[in-house]
Amino acid sequence: EAQVTQNPRYLITVTGKKLTVTCSQNMNHEYMSWYRQDPGLGLRQIYYSMNVEVTDKGDVPEGYKVSRKEKRNFPLILESPSPNQTSLYFCASGFSGRTGEQYFGPGTRLTVT
Amino acid sequence: QQPVQSPQAVILREGEDAVINCSSSKALYSVHWYRQKHGEAPVFLMILLKGGEQKGHDKISASFNEKKQQSSLYLTASQLSYSGTYFCGTETLGSYQKVTFGTGTKLQVIP
Repeated sequence: EAQVTQNPRYLITVTGKKLTVTCSQNMNHEYMSWYRQDPGLGLRQIYYSMNVEVTDKGDVPEGYKVSRKEKRNFPLILESPSPNQTSLYFCASGFSGRTGEQYFGPGTRLTVT
Repeated sequence: QQPVQSPQAVILREGEDAVINCSSSKALYSVHWYRQKHGEAPVFLMILLKGGEQKGHDKISASFNEKKQQSSLYLTASQLSYSGTYFCGTETLGSYQKVTFGTGTKLQVIP
């Protein structure tokens, strides 16, 4: 089944404890992206990647890191999480960010205390 | 900068029509429309590319006026299944593959 998977789906952690949210897609998509969703603010892009080893900042990259070492995986790293990073995170993939549909993962709800 | 969507929320009775607008302050290459139902991930509806085309499937269609940097989503004869939050995403000229979403329009269709 074609899909985007994210793990974990739910995470409660403490300030400063490094964490990684994994994202994997099985559709051979070149484009992958991370978004955060907060009430009243819509979807805000954190980072995106147009291909392996090619990443770029979205609108809210501060406090996050990403890497794209393989085509199928695009992990999101929070080196020192803070309470303002409490949010719902979505990973998405597509053949192109410009002309193609993005397929969203199920989301990861992160709470930082 | 996020595109501006209007209205922020709308309630419709089944069978009524609705228009959701998306406006950018920058020149656009493409506009993407998604719908998100409560507790679920956003789902793609359609993309409109520079060129002023109009697209549609079923009773949902959209237009893109690149000169005004605006797009509109038209929902005709709304059904209960149309309920959800609609997001427009824009890619501006010069921001290759960087998609910025608006804050969403919450649509509720009631019987």
